[in-house]
Amino acid sequence: DAGVTQSPTHLIKTRGQQVTLRCSPKSGHDTVSWYQQALGQGPQFIFQYYEEEERQRGNFPDRFSGHQFPNYSSELNVNALLLGDSALYLCASSYLGTGNEKLFFGSGTQLSVL
Amino acid sequence: AQSVTQPDIHITVSEGASLELRCNYSYGATPYLFWYVQSPGQGLQLLLKYFSGDTLVQGIKGFEAEFKRSQSSFNLRKPSVHWSDAAEYFCAVYSGGYQKVTFGTGTKLQVIP
Repeated sequence: DAGVTQSPTHLIKTRGQQVTLRCSPKSGHDTVSWYQQALGQGPQFIFQYYEEEERQRGNFPDRFSGHQFPNYSSELNVNALLLGDSALYLCASSYLGTGNEKLFFGSGTQLSVL
Repeated sequence: AQSVTQPDIHITVSEGASLELRCNYSYGATPYLFWYVQSPGQGLQLLLKYFSGDTLVQGIKGFEAEFKRSQSSFNLRKPSVHWSDAAEYFCAVYSGGYQKVTFGTGTKLQVIP
């Protein structure tokens, strides 16, 4: 049983570009959350998707957007990249029935913005 | 709003020594409390969690944590640290339902021979 998979593992972009990160949830999970972890910081909640809709959002600008597909996989899009967007982006999946009590994390995508 | 404070940014212990990592939370009711571990370049792995019941919670890898409501604390302990325990540890709080999980800033554990 594969856990949460994220792609790519590493990415280098320049300021102003756009990036798309991908996440496949653990089998049986229907909810996907995205977190940003800057160097030396704890993960910060970006948003959560369930039934292809954004259900809750953290304190991130509209440059951060997402999507969930019918197979529960998800994408995180960031437009007009800033240097400060450099971070590890973590995807976590869960099952609606257990809420966020049981979050399973992927290994993340390391984004570097130059 | 829920929040978590981990006052120790970095801790160094000798292999075989005991360990205690501190965590204080802020939330009006009794929240879910978690400890996660993160190895370099990796995602987070759940060590243990508390919601109700026995205030001393056992987790994986020999870790335990104690919930103290009067102190709003949920400290992580291990009686004897192994070199493989070197990692970053995050305390987190969650109020239930579809609310977000809020993480502390982490404590980096270094284990010396």
